[in-house]
Amino acid sequence: DTAVSQTPKYLVTQMGNDKSIKCEQNLGHDTMYWYKQDSKKFLKIMFSYNNKELIINETVPNRFSPKSPDKAHLNLHINSLELGDSAVYFCASSHGGTGATGELFFGEGSRLTVL
Amino acid sequence: AQTVTQSQPEMSVQEAETVTLSCTYDTSESNYYLFWYKQPPSRQMILVIRQEAYKQQNATENRFSVNFQKAAKSFSLKISDSQLGDTAMYFCAFMIDSGYALNFGKGTSLLVTP
Repeated sequence: DTAVSQTPKYLVTQMGNDKSIKCEQNLGHDTMYWYKQDSKKFLKIMFSYNNKELIINETVPNRFSPKSPDKAHLNLHINSLELGDSAVYFCASSHGGTGATGELFFGEGSRLTVL
Repeated sequence: AQTVTQSQPEMSVQEAETVTLSCTYDTSESNYYLFWYKQPPSRQMILVIRQEAYKQQNATENRFSVNFQKAAKSFSLKISDSQLGDTAMYFCAFMIDSGYALNFGKGTSLLVTP
């Protein structure tokens, strides 16, 4: 069983379109994340959710809207896609806050290409 | 704000040799965690080793060990007996205790050659 799974793994779309990436974890973690990895491989936190509540929103354009229907899922919806949104998006999970050990478990990443 | 700096964008080592990757960080916190993650060409992020700041003993995991210097805010990774499969991007990362985000350095691309 995959611990953190995200779909789709590859996504090619036109500028201006709206797309979603889904993430699910079966580790029983209470915190989930979205990270963006740009073409230079830099990993930057976008969002962090703890028990379905938004904890971190790191200066991400409001075209990006995360949604956490329950602790095991964190989806990312992107409106009006731009060329600069092309990147690999990683979902991750961990125990957060009190009791956090810091170790994040990552999904395999979703490579988004905007044409 | 916590920052993580990896000053070596690329490194190369021959198979069976030892290599050390550097990482420094900046924080005013006293309790935190440090990590090295590996990202091979498959792009999967894999935890290599972790260190709790309150522990003085350096962490080791088989061929991987760290040199944690808390006062100097330094956290280097030593890979002994390098193998071809060690070829990957290596990211140093930092998280404060009870935190909700892992902050990454920009990575070091390691190439292991035959």
